[in-house]
Amino acid sequence: NAGVTQTPKFQVLKTGQSMTLQCAQDMNHNSMYWYRQDPGMGLRLIYYSASEGTTDKGEVPNGYNVSRLNKREFSLRLESAAPSQTSVYFCASSSYRSTNEKLFFGSGTQLSVL
Amino acid sequence: AQSVTQLGSHVSVSEGALVLLRCNYSSSVPPYLFWYVQYPNQGLQLLLKYTTGATLVKGINGFEAEFKKSETSFHLTKPSAHMSDAAEYFCAVSVPYSGGGADGLTFGKGTHLIIQP
Repeated sequence: NAGVTQTPKFQVLKTGQSMTLQCAQDMNHNSMYWYRQDPGMGLRLIYYSASEGTTDKGEVPNGYNVSRLNKREFSLRLESAAPSQTSVYFCASSSYRSTNEKLFFGSGTQLSVL
Repeated sequence: AQSVTQLGSHVSVSEGALVLLRCNYSSSVPPYLFWYVQYPNQGLQLLLKYTTGATLVKGINGFEAEFKKSETSFHLTKPSAHMSDAAEYFCAVSVPYSGGGADGLTFGKGTHLIIQP
């Protein structure tokens, strides 16, 4: 009963370093999403993948890239980390890309950029 | 574009007291509305949602919310708070039949619910 699995759970980077956040779901969902959560800001969508083979920008895509590796996996890459990217990152998935679909979330990655 | 406002970044209630978390939305068409809960160090999980039909929606853990179109509100309530209800609660809104998905979901900034023993 894994659901949505994110790795790592915690990461500290220095400014300019790169890293990839991994996300995998085992529910055979078509759509996957990356959010960032900042205090007092709620959740903001970074990128999403409506289905395997497609990706699109969300509200705050600058400084990030994504790869939908297959139906299960959706990774988020920071090419050159900046302190403004210090945040908690959540991956989520849904069965279909529909406005009333339930989102299933991973437990998050806490990232600090020094 | 739609928007959602959660009144009160922090709400404190006594154990056994009524929980009321306020959410007001703005949308050009009748929206879909959601409440998600985030327990400490976990991801969000769906509490309940309103799409169409009955305006009083019941969710998990004894929570319910009522869609009031005239007041553009979707407040979350629970008759009797329990210590385990301490969490962050997010209201969210989306526009039906917009051709999008959760990418069209707009989240509020969240309300931290504190339960006093």
